[in-house]
Amino acid sequence: EAGVAQSPRYKIIEKRQSVAFWCNPISGHATLYWYQQILGQGPKLLIQFQNNGVVDDSQLPKDRFSAERLKGVDSTLKIQPAKLEDSAVYLCASQLGTTVGELFFGEGSRLTVL
Amino acid sequence: KNEVEQSPQNLTAQEGEFITINCSYSVGISALHWLQQHPGGGIVSLFMLSSGKKKHGRLIATINIQEKHSSLHITASHPRDSAVYICAPANTGNQFYFGTGTSLTVIP
Repeated sequence: EAGVAQSPRYKIIEKRQSVAFWCNPISGHATLYWYQQILGQGPKLLIQFQNNGVVDDSQLPKDRFSAERLKGVDSTLKIQPAKLEDSAVYLCASQLGTTVGELFFGEGSRLTVL
Repeated sequence: KNEVEQSPQNLTAQEGEFITINCSYSVGISALHWLQQHPGGGIVSLFMLSSGKKKHGRLIATINIQEKHSSLHITASHPRDSAVYICAPANTGNQFYFGTGTSLTVIP
């Protein structure tokens, strides 16, 4: 069974530039999460989708971050314009159902903003 | 106050030692996950439990719902166990609360 796919693995940009990350969850997984993990900290939820609907985006900095999951399958997270403090690993995770279940993570996309 | 507290934050052990990582949480949960993150790597789910105890190889996870406490034990530790271990309780709305992790180093 293929795992959660993310790309790119690494990205270096200058501040004020834009960047997009892509995630393809495990086939059939209804719930998809985007997390931001800053070095030395635990993951912080940015947005949670159930199918193509947003369940929780309360911690998403909406002035610069956006995310979509138009067909309820893969998802894109965009940052525009990037700030230095956005340097982090962006993790995508998925779950089969919409209630309690095992969480599957991708390898993450490491962003460095210069 | 953090919803999830893990201890210790850092742990160094000799190969073969028995290791315990503790997690206390303050939120109501439907399940608690233990996750493993290797340096530069992604996160792998080790356990999901809502009561009692689970065992997988040399790893054992326990949870006491009444006391809001969980432990992860590693028996006969090995250098390949070196990683960050993260406790992540989840509430009934499937919202996860992540601890800051315990960084484990096992020395040969």
